[in-house]
Amino acid sequence: KAGVTQTPRYLIKTRGQQVTLSCSPISGHRSVSWYQQTPGQGLQFLFEYFSETQRNKGNFPGRFSGRQFSNSRSEMNVSTLELGDSALYLCASSLSSGNNSPLHFGNGTRLTVT
Amino acid sequence: TQLLEQSPQFLSIQEGENLTVYCNSSSVFSSLQWYRQEPGEGPVLLVTVVTGGEVKKLKRLTFQFGDARKDSSLHITAAQPGDTGLYLCAGTFRGGTYKYIFGTGTRLKVLA
Repeated sequence: KAGVTQTPRYLIKTRGQQVTLSCSPISGHRSVSWYQQTPGQGLQFLFEYFSETQRNKGNFPGRFSGRQFSNSRSEMNVSTLELGDSALYLCASSLSSGNNSPLHFGNGTRLTVT
Repeated sequence: TQLLEQSPQFLSIQEGENLTVYCNSSSVFSSLQWYRQEPGEGPVLLVTVVTGGEVKKLKRLTFQFGDARKDSSLHITAAQPGDTGLYLCAGTFRGGTYKYIFGTGTRLKVLA
């Protein structure tokens, strides 16, 4: 069974640009969550999608947005990039949106903003 | 706002030693999970604990959930270099908005 796939693995952008990251969940998983990981803040929850609907949202500005398609694949978009957006962006899929449903993570997209 | 504190932040030990990592919160967990993350990879689930006082073993790793469900510990016996990585606890809380809140992690290095 293929794991969670995130593309691209690495990305370098300049301030003010926008970026779109992609996540393909494990087959059959309908929930996709996104996290930002930085050395100073650790893993911070961005948002969760289930059946194409945003279920939960973390404390990030509106520049961060996402969506989920009917095949459960998800994209995350960051507009007007800032230096502080440099981070590892992790996507995780799970079977359902329940509290005990374990998360299966991809290997992330490392975004560097210069 | 629920917060998860992990301690210690960093740990460097010799192969064969034992260690314990802690995860604490001021709020009651609905459930708690432990993950391990290696460089260049995403976190990988180790265990899920749900019931207060629960103890789970995974080879040389022992996970304990506090009776009050506000804390958890991970104990590694006879650590090996392959145990090196970032250990993360993640909790869900009753009435919480977020699906999972992650601790800041414990970075473990086991020296051969």
